[in-house]
Formats: sequence, C-alpha cells, structure tokens
Amino acid sequence: SQKIEQNSEALNIQEGKTATLTCNYTNYSPAYLQWYRQDPGRGPVFLLLIRENEKEKRKERLKVTFDTTLKQSLFHITASQPADSATYLCALDIIDRGSTLGRLYFGRGTQLTVWP
Amino acid sequence: ETGVTQTPRHLVMGMTNKKSLKCEQHLGHNAMYWYKQSAKKPLELMFVYNFKEQTENNSVPSRFSPECPNSSHLFLHLHTLQPEDSALYLCASSPVGGAGNQPQHFGDGTRLSIL
Repeated sequence: SQKIEQNSEALNIQEGKTATLTCNYTNYSPAYLQWYRQDPGRGPVFLLLIRENEKEKRKERLKVTFDTTLKQSLFHITASQPADSATYLCALDIIDRGSTLGRLYFGRGTQLTVWP
Repeated sequence: ETGVTQTPRHLVMGMTNKKSLKCEQHLGHNAMYWYKQSAKKPLELMFVYNFKEQTENNSVPSRFSPECPNSSHLFLHLHTLQPEDSALYLCASSPVGGAGNQPQHFGDGTRLSIL
C-alpha cells in the first residue's frame, strides 16, 4: 500500500536557525517529488520540484534533497524567519497500477513554527 | 494572488440540502482537480479532469458529482451529504493532467460544514 510519512506533525525552531523537514516514503519509485507550503485557511502553494535523478535543488533560502535509495527527501529552510511559519507538505508523483497517468500523493504535512 | 478562485469560501448545509461548489482558473491550464482535506489527514484526490474529460474518480461516493463544462471551470455538486463530509474542499489546476513534473496551483478552498 502507499505510504508517505513526514517526520513530525510539528517542528519549533528559533529564528535564524535552519529548519529541516523530512519526507519518507515506501513502496514507490516516484519520478518527481514536490514540496508545498500551506498557511491556515489557504490552499497549498507550490515551492519546489525535484526529479529522481537530481540529488539537490535550491531556491533562495530553500533546499531540497532527494535520496531514492533511502526513499527520503529533506527540505531545508536556512536563516529561518517567523514568516516561514506554516505547514509544509511533500507530494510524490505516482502512477497507480492499471493507470497511464500519474497523480500526486500528499503527506500529512509538518507544521513549522519559527519563534523570534 | 491565486489564479484559482473558489466560491463560496464557507458553506454550511443540512444533510438533505443540495449545493454546488465552484472553481475557476485563469491560468490557461487544461487539467483541474478536486481534493478533500480533513484534519490530520493527507489531501485526498477526488476527481481529475484533463481537457474537460474525467480521467479519475478516486472511489468517491455518488453524493459528490463533478462537472467540468470547459477547461476553466469546475463544479462539485453536493447532495445528501453526511457529517463526515465536513472538510476543506480544494480545487487545483495544472497545465496537463498526469504529469508529475508540473506543479499544481490551488485555490483557497471551500470550508464545508454538514449539520
């Protein structure tokens, strides 16, 4: 069966530190992995996409790694700020058996709080 | 500012009512999605439309009925809902469906409460 785990429901860190969020998966070999940010009462917003043959992707203070051997993605926010407080979702692109089209499977998310 | 607009933002309805959720995207995308988001659970894909054709129905009860009249509009018709259907319903779009290398653009959802 399909299973995506994000390391913890909540992560609290001090401003200026690096936040590291984990996404683990089993039973898949996704070609792509995506990260989204969701604020309370809002829809998810796309942040980064990484391909299976990419080890690392960066965008400003964000960095994503993708280890297909460990079946794990790490999402880093460097020099974190209170404005980074939100829920972060990972999503895997999976083609279900019997289907020709892929679809995204989402994790439950990790709620990040950055305190001053 | 989101290119995907959902209305209404909040909806309270009785179990015997009939209502519809509306989604409109201004991004020129050809795929549109309905997701259900319940507390402490991952987003659940409900329906996918690709070029106005339904390509996925993720075992959704028939009390939820989607409609996609064109690539820019998506509706979710609701009737005889159950209390467990209370959730945030999110609409999303992407350039085409089934392509994991494309991000999805979400609306801000309709918060649905069933009395």
